Amino acid sequence: ETGVTQSPTHLIKTRGQQVTLRCSSQSGHNTVSWYQQALGQGPQFIFQYYREEENGRGNFPPRFSGLQFPNYSSELNVNALELDDSALYLCASSLIGPLNTEAFFGQGTRLTVV
Amino acid sequence: DQQVKQNSPSLSVQEGRISILNCDYTNSMFDYFLWYKKYPAEGPTFLISISSIKDKNEDGRFTVFLNKSAKHLSLHIVPSQPGDSAVYFCAASTGNQFYFGTGTSLTVIP
Repeated sequence: ETGVTQSPTHLIKTRGQQVTLRCSSQSGHNTVSWYQQALGQGPQFIFQYYREEENGRGNFPPRFSGLQFPNYSSELNVNALELDDSALYLCASSLIGPLNTEAFFGQGTRLTVV
Repeated sequence: DQQVKQNSPSLSVQEGRISILNCDYTNSMFDYFLWYKKYPAEGPTFLISISSIKDKNEDGRFTVFLNKSAKHLSLHIVPSQPGDSAVYFCAASTGNQFYFGTGTSLTVIP
């Protein structure tokens, strides 16, 4: 078990609605990244937060936004949901430092947009 | 643009034999490579990693090989066990952003 927890585990939303997904990082980690994994694909990087600031962003539109809190927990918000947003959303926590380290993933939130 | 590619979507291996999973990348700036294993309904679990300054890293039954000139990464599992059946993702990073391949589904046949 990684210590990274995500909520909810499953969610169904209607096109046009807004959604907030939550992530609790592993203790001691200062960085959280969000990934979208569509069916049959690998995880695609959405963005990363470090010390409550966005620290890199993938090729996702502005309606995907995030927050990182002082306790390093995080939220992913998606506005104006589209059918193609249906995917598994993964949160990963890591520790930024002088050495490369692996990221630890939560179990994901399965979002279905209908 | 897929910077990390896993060209084999699936692989079947007999229990006890070697499993070899392959991964190719295009970005020569990648300096850290990882393999993750994913079971259904779970997030990816870190398996093994290798820095670009090395060409091999071993951890028990798992060995990762890096060929920088060919921009190729492979994971060897010896001996393969039925519990190794899962989807395996390779990932590469230039800093703190990870780029993932599309995964290879490994089935180890008892």
